[in-house]
Amino acid sequence: EVQLLESGGGLVQPGGSLRLSCAASGFTFSTYAMSWVRQAPGKGLEWVSSISGSGGSTYYADSVKGRFTISRDNSKNTLFLQMNSLRADDTAVYYCASRVGGAKAFDIWGQGTMVTVSS
Amino acid sequence: QTVVTQEPSFSVSPGGTVTLTCGLNSGSVSTTYYPSWYQQTPGQAPRTLIYSTNTRSSGVPDRFSGSILGNKAALTITGAQPDDESDYYCVLYMGSGISVFGGGTKLTVL
Repeated sequence: EVQLLESGGGLVQPGGSLRLSCAASGFTFSTYAMSWVRQAPGKGLEWVSSISGSGGSTYYADSVKGRFTISRDNSKNTLFLQMNSLRADDTAVYYCASRVGGAKAFDIWGQGTMVTVSS
Repeated sequence: QTVVTQEPSFSVSPGGTVTLTCGLNSGSVSTTYYPSWYQQTPGQAPRTLIYSTNTRSSGVPDRFSGSILGNKAALTITGAQPDDESDYYCVLYMGSGISVFGGGTKLTVL
């Protein structure tokens, strides 16, 4: 069964850091581009970042550029999102998702992990 | 700034047909934006319905279809069922690895 399982969310103070993980199973992880998408409470979905299958190419939304870093460990089938300089407006459920259609769309989604930035 | 537009809400009767649209604040949507569609019910992760304009994701029933209508991408639900009551999001691929979500459409089936 194809599955993505996020972890690492929690409560963090403004200016703090957090590292999210997404464990993949049931597919050849290294051949798929991956993404992080977030959803603030009561709001819509927002693309955050993407990474190629090899990890050699990374992309970021303007709202997180310079603060967040996406990476992957293909030997461990795991995707990461390092989040620094966190702000209140980063509060959201963070989903990881595999890419499909030439990496131009999202395919399989994890269940999400909640990040709350508050003092 | 690129803004992807969707109807905030829509209503359809059970068994009816509804078409949701996805546009751009500047310009027309074409297949080169690889429009995709996602369904989300409250408290759940999104589910992929359509990608590359009109390709159904695995397990998605054929009453969900995607197309380009005029200058917008469109998601048509034929024979709407109560379980279709959800939020629907479109995504346009802007190139250089960048994807932009629309604001979502809340679909009511009643």
